Amino acid sequence: DIQMIQSPSSLSASVGDRVTITCRASQSISNSLNWYQQKPGEAPKLLIYGSSILLSGVPSRFSGSGSGTDFTLTIFSLQPEDSATYYCQHYFGTSLFGRGTKLEIE
Amino acid sequence: EVQLVQSGAEVKKPGESLKISCKASGYYFTTYWIVWVRQMPGKGLEWMGGIYPGDSRTLYSPSFQGQVTFSADKSMSTAYLQWNSLEASDTAIYYCARPRYSTNIDALQIWGPGTMVTVSS
Repeated sequence: DIQMIQSPSSLSASVGDRVTITCRASQSISNSLNWYQQKPGEAPKLLIYGSSILLSGVPSRFSGSGSGTDFTLTIFSLQPEDSATYYCQHYFGTSLFGRGTKLEIE
Repeated sequence: EVQLVQSGAEVKKPGESLKISCKASGYYFTTYWIVWVRQMPGKGLEWMGGIYPGDSRTLYSPSFQGQVTFSADKSMSTAYLQWNSLEASDTAIYYCARPRYSTNIDALQIWGPGTMVTVSS
């Protein structure tokens, strides 16, 4: 089974900062990597699919990149409403979510 | 508007059976997978698998194979997640979700609000 290592598990940053969250797959998954945002008490929301395609309506400060085994979610110019937990998800025959990154705004 | 509406919270005892629902509207129910995702209290998301209502094809995560059953009623545009014998460890929020594309099971764009299942003696 393909394993996903997401890091860091938590981070704290300030408004205006740039933050990076990474996911590493245990084997190549091409570009089959999605990113979700989940706020407390809410269902997750899809942000990015196919590694780098921003879902319509998602602010352009969110960006995804990577292929093969290494993937990155970058949030440029962090905003207070970005405080949430972020998950990567691969689909390659079956699917698995990363363990999540809890992002706090200082 | 594309929407998934899930059944309400459940409180059950260990050993009891349960079937929760996910009613779809605003699109052709038979042409998109419905995926189920578990979130245990304070924990992350777990992909359980899904069902394609058009032909009732199912795909289970190895972690959930044999533990739950997915089904769908095309006439009701409703998908179901079922347990025959609940355990305390089944306590969680269960989300149903629909992928972005009808051709695959990836990229979950539409989510239900979740059903909280509590299993306690």
